[in-house]
Amino acid sequence: GQQLNQSPQSMFIQEGEDVSMNCTSSSIFNTWLWYKQDPGEGPVLLIALYKAGELTSNGRLTAQFGITRKDSFLNISASIPSDVGIYFCAGQLNTGTASKLTFGTGTRLQVTL
Amino acid sequence: DAGITQSPRHKVTETGTPVTLRCHQTENHRYMYWYRQDPGHGLRLIHYSYGVKDTDKGEVSDGYSVSRSKTEDFLLTLESATSSQTSVYFCAIRFQGGEQFFGPGTRLTVL
Repeated sequence: GQQLNQSPQSMFIQEGEDVSMNCTSSSIFNTWLWYKQDPGEGPVLLIALYKAGELTSNGRLTAQFGITRKDSFLNISASIPSDVGIYFCAGQLNTGTASKLTFGTGTRLQVTL
Repeated sequence: DAGITQSPRHKVTETGTPVTLRCHQTENHRYMYWYRQDPGHGLRLIHYSYGVKDTDKGEVSDGYSVSRSKTEDFLLTLESATSSQTSVYFCAIRFQGGEQFFGPGTRLTVL
């Protein structure tokens, strides 16, 4: 099945630094979602985007829905140790009954003091 | 917390035995999903449900069946478990805007 391309695959940054990651697709989506997953737990929804060009913030997190509808970006400002985890993007096309999600390959974030 | 629980949280079983995983939600959401997560493959959809007794296949449905006899419960059954089904299984529910919220997961090991 299709997976979205996420980059970078992993990042090793220092506390206080800003982080940027992105997700690209060969097909368009109507909704973009960003999740964070901690070890041994389920993915937790961080931000949902519903319109091309939309910019949405949730605390130190900001995400954008690309205007082509084929990409999305997530920024984390002033990273802290608890930001460590794997970040997934997911796109949704809302067709038929399923509204299935297509997931990215994930970006592993590690933060050092 | 979207009111989703999964049981069991961990299970070890032997090849050839049947296994049933349960997903329970408390908020009457119509859509429910079962995914598996494996290294290198990310999250893959196994089956989903769009109402009581209404289910359909996802991309990796072979070897799995599901049932939904009431809104709050969505069961995933491995009729005869194989080692390739060792994985972490997540249930999800879908909210009105299309967002999916995930349960805590079940770690299944098939020996």
